Amino acid sequence: SQKIEQNSEALNIQEGKTATLTCNYTNYSPAYLQWYRQDPGRGPVFLLLIRENEKEKRKERLKVTFDTTLKQSLFHITASQPADSATYLCALAQNNNAGNMLTFGGGTRLMVKP
Amino acid sequence: DTAVSQTPKYLVTQMGNDKSIKCEQNLGHDTMYWYKQDSKKFLKIMFSYNNKELIINETVPNRFSPKSPDKAHLNLHINSLELGDSAVYFCASRRREAGGELFFGEGSRLTVL
Repeated sequence: SQKIEQNSEALNIQEGKTATLTCNYTNYSPAYLQWYRQDPGRGPVFLLLIRENEKEKRKERLKVTFDTTLKQSLFHITASQPADSATYLCALAQNNNAGNMLTFGGGTRLMVKP
Repeated sequence: DTAVSQTPKYLVTQMGNDKSIKCEQNLGHDTMYWYKQDSKKFLKIMFSYNNKELIINETVPNRFSPKSPDKAHLNLHINSLELGDSAVYFCASRRREAGGELFFGEGSRLTVL
């Protein structure tokens, strides 16, 4: 069966450190992968997109990698700040996906302590 | 200006009732979605809809039905509500091009008593 797995346990790190979140998938052939941020009581907000033929993408303090051999994406936040505390969700779109539906992982909650 | 707006934000109702959640987007997007987020925070796709096709996640009970009066609206109707329907429902929209980001509404928290 198809699965998208993110660490369900919260990740606690100290301010200034780099946070690394993992997204693993099985039985998918993703055309691209996206990362979203969700704050409590709010809808998810798009952060980054990486396509199947890309290895790495950067945006300010954010970096995403995509390894289609390992079937894994890593999401990094450098110089983390307490304001980065939120739940981070990865989402996949299948190749030949009718309706362009994105399927989400369960999210990982990040807590950055001052 | 809210890009994707949902109403109501909170909805408390009894089992067996029928209810609707409305969604409107002012982004000019051609595809809209409904997602369900349960107590474990899993965000599950329910429907994908544009003016040509409706894609239904096969796990969604037929008590749930999307209704689109026009391109900017996709409402969610739920008949014969059950306890397990309690969740947060998110509407989202995007351009149809591959890779387009999803824009989400703020969610509608449904509680079935």
